Amino acid sequence: DTEVTQTPKHLVMGMTNKKSLKCEQHMGHRAMYWYKQKAKKPPELMFVYSYEKLSINESVPSRFSPECPNSSLLNLHLHALQPEDSALYLCASSQSEGGQETQYFGPGTRLLVL
Amino acid sequence: LAKTTQPISMDSYEGQEVNITCSHNNIATNDYITWYQQFPSQGPRFIIQGYKTKVTNEVASLFIPADRKSSTLSLPRVSLSDTAVYYCLVGDGTGGFKTIFGAGTRLFVKA
Repeated sequence: DTEVTQTPKHLVMGMTNKKSLKCEQHMGHRAMYWYKQKAKKPPELMFVYSYEKLSINESVPSRFSPECPNSSLLNLHLHALQPEDSALYLCASSQSEGGQETQYFGPGTRLLVL
Repeated sequence: LAKTTQPISMDSYEGQEVNITCSHNNIATNDYITWYQQFPSQGPRFIIQGYKTKVTNEVASLFIPADRKSSTLSLPRVSLSDTAVYYCLVGDGTGGFKTIFGAGTRLFVKA
């Protein structure tokens, strides 16, 4: 199974809402990632969990909060988002092998903030 | 961090071979070169990875010169379904913030 699943596929939320994005993989990977991608732009790395240890992109605002309940699951908690946070949110996982790294991406969650 | 530079866009016709070059002048000794393909509203998909010389798989070839300061993704006989954005990444396999997506190359295949 080389699949990364993400739910929901689409999400519309108001600026006062709290919501969560979910990601799951069963490849035994020990690194998982959250990316944000705006239209016609490359994916921008937000957070990395490696062996359940968190690394943060310092430019990401605190209204985004990641959580890694276990090595197969990754959540992104959203609170008080702004319209400019509307984007495609991608989850990925990888397992470094001998210095090589292949990231497996999920299909993404399309988020619209009103 | 090894920064990558690619052409912003390329056009081709069905059946042609397409070569996309990526420049990575400050690539480190431990870095690998990886290419991803992305269709609209989908996550990127791994295409090919290499360290030096030439790598070939069922969908593409990757050419890396001896100095490793650039690499070329070769797509043989492209079809309309190869229209996508292609990203070149350089990283040492430790992942995280040491491997960052560049701007990518938007390939448009015409009939």
